[in-house]
Amino acid sequence: AQKVTQAQTEISVVEKEDVTLDCVYETRDTTYYLFWYKQPPSGELVFLIRRNSFDEQNEISGRYSWNFQKSTSSFNFTITASQVVDSAVYFCALSESNTGNQFYFGTGTSLTVIP
Amino acid sequence: GAGVSQSPSNKVTEKGKDVELRCDPISGHTALYWYRQSLGQGLEFLIYFQGNSAPDKSGLPSDRFSAERTGGSVSTLTIQRTQQEDSAVYLCASSESPAGTATEAFFGQGTRLTVV
Repeated sequence: AQKVTQAQTEISVVEKEDVTLDCVYETRDTTYYLFWYKQPPSGELVFLIRRNSFDEQNEISGRYSWNFQKSTSSFNFTITASQVVDSAVYFCALSESNTGNQFYFGTGTSLTVIP
Repeated sequence: GAGVSQSPSNKVTEKGKDVELRCDPISGHTALYWYRQSLGQGLEFLIYFQGNSAPDKSGLPSDRFSAERTGGSVSTLTIQRTQQEDSAVYLCASSESPAGTATEAFFGQGTRLTVV
């Protein structure tokens, strides 16, 4: 079973629009960590954020914000006032304390910001 | 080093030949991972190292794939008798401590393998 689901395969928005990327996860562990990565056209995955399962406080970093809701097993990512440089594939990932051998990645959401 | 370094960046090989892909993790990172990303696809886990040991090799697709890590640092992924379906980008990542702890993985730029 897929531990991380990113249902949106591709999204296109016009520059300056807000966009939310969805991530739903599945785990039986009580201690786990959630991540978002950005993969621009150059190919290298860039770490954006890590949240632990005990901290549901939302986080904002500039135009980026993350909404973690354990009740719905979701960890959504919003980009406010999108820019062309935001065009990339975004991956959500999970790691679990009881099976600490890998990071489980979703299939990614390809975001295109149209100027 | 400053980041995870992988070599070569690109490798074109003939079907049936063996290839070696190298990963130099961030200095001090005890955990190292190999993933594979096929065109337009997500990340497929291959193998995890903690130090020089590989507690989880469950993702290796076949016995043509092997990997080792020496000195708790550099890792080599070897693919024997390459097949066209092995064509993909092979990504290496390292983290300070194992997945499942308060740590994130940092990725290299990948090796794009093309089997012709």
